[in-house]
Amino acid sequence: EPEVTQTPSHQVTQMGQEVILRCVPISNHLYFYWYRQILGQKVEFLVSFYNNEISEKSEIFDDQFSVERPDGSNFTLKIRSTKLEDSAMYFCASRGTGVYGYTFGSGTRLTVV
Amino acid sequence: QKEVEQDPGPLSVPEGAIVSLNCTYSNSAFQYFMWYRQYSRKGPELLMYTYSSGNKEDGRFTAQVDKSSKYISLFIRDSQPSDSATYLCAMNPGTASKLTFGTGTRLQVTL
Repeated sequence: EPEVTQTPSHQVTQMGQEVILRCVPISNHLYFYWYRQILGQKVEFLVSFYNNEISEKSEIFDDQFSVERPDGSNFTLKIRSTKLEDSAMYFCASRGTGVYGYTFGSGTRLTVV
Repeated sequence: QKEVEQDPGPLSVPEGAIVSLNCTYSNSAFQYFMWYRQYSRKGPELLMYTYSSGNKEDGRFTAQVDKSSKYISLFIRDSQPSDSATYLCAMNPGTASKLTFGTGTRLQVTL
């Protein structure tokens, strides 16, 4: 069954450093998302991406965050200057043409120290 | 009032029990309702989805939506230890792309 692949599975970074989280969505999907889940809290929407541009973003997704689809397969989330409160699981998801067809990756656990 | 509310549990049941998981929501624009299962340190996995009000059954799982009460449920029949996970409800208006999640209910099915 097709899956969304995320790398790395765990990243530890120092406060103030830049991190790039990588995702390979399902190949024929057109809509791409990043969500995050702080430990013990709910899954929160960060950003959606369609047709090579951001289609929606949340209040969390401030100027420190950016997304890119640098080639036909990868979808990345960059955090420019990490803060302690950015520590969370970050999930990439992709969707085909059906509303229900969200497939999530296994996540990248980001720890900012 | 939170947009989507879900009892975090934990909910502990013996193997074979019927489990009822619920969410309430406040946004009447929500039209599509989903249940995800999440194992520890893994991504959410889509279990069930329904559109608007009504029931949907898939094997041991039944999803119900009551839009008049803004209340959705997931029933698991003949629960198994492998059903032990966190169950997340999620919903969206259909035209917007983002999902709004509940906090998740942690379920433990014991032998």
